[in-house]
Amino acid sequence: AQSVTQLDSHVSVSEGTPVLLRCNYSSSYSPSLFWYVQHPNKGLQLLLKYTSAATLVKGINGFEAEFKKSETSFHLTKPSAHMSDAAEYFCVVSENYGGATNKLIFGTGTLLAVQP
Amino acid sequence: NAGVTQTPKFQVLKTGQSMTLQCAQDMNHNSMYWYRQDPGMGLRLIYYSASEGTTDKGEVPNGYNVSRLNKREFSLRLESAAPSQTSVYFCASSESSSPRQRQPQHFGDGTRLSIL
Repeated sequence: AQSVTQLDSHVSVSEGTPVLLRCNYSSSYSPSLFWYVQHPNKGLQLLLKYTSAATLVKGINGFEAEFKKSETSFHLTKPSAHMSDAAEYFCVVSENYGGATNKLIFGTGTLLAVQP
Repeated sequence: NAGVTQTPKFQVLKTGQSMTLQCAQDMNHNSMYWYRQDPGMGLRLIYYSASEGTTDKGEVPNGYNVSRLNKREFSLRLESAAPSQTSVYFCASSESSSPRQRQPQHFGDGTRLSIL
């Protein structure tokens, strides 16, 4: 069965510095991987997705992630953090659930704080 | 440009009361999902509907029922609310539930439910 591990529950960076949010997955076949962002009292917004095309995936708001099969990782990065990036980020793998639907398996989330 | 709309946004219930959470999407998506979000646990799938007319149990279905009223609407019912059901509930939709198509899910803003 698929699973997702987000290695840091909290990450704090200064505005203008790089962001790295780490995610490892386990999957028995070629997975679909996603990063979602959740701002306070809001739903989840899709940042980017990997679906077996290019291994470097670019998303919205300057975020990108690289799929590394040998390391079973899908880390999220951004070159320069902005105050508006402060939110909770979820790494998600899509599982073939009973053969009929793509159930999403969520990591436990990483809370990103951006200091001025 | 509504996407996925959930009502109500907030609700407080007493133990034993019943309630229906409403969800509607305007993206002509075939598949819809109900999740609950609890601190430190990410999101867990309660029920899903792969297509109009079908519903299936997810990871944590006990204490809930669902109705796929039509293609747009998917409701979640708590017949006899319990304090353990205090959570934030999210509805999501996707164009297809097929694992091969690897479609992302689009989320509503959530319903914050407290059971006293």
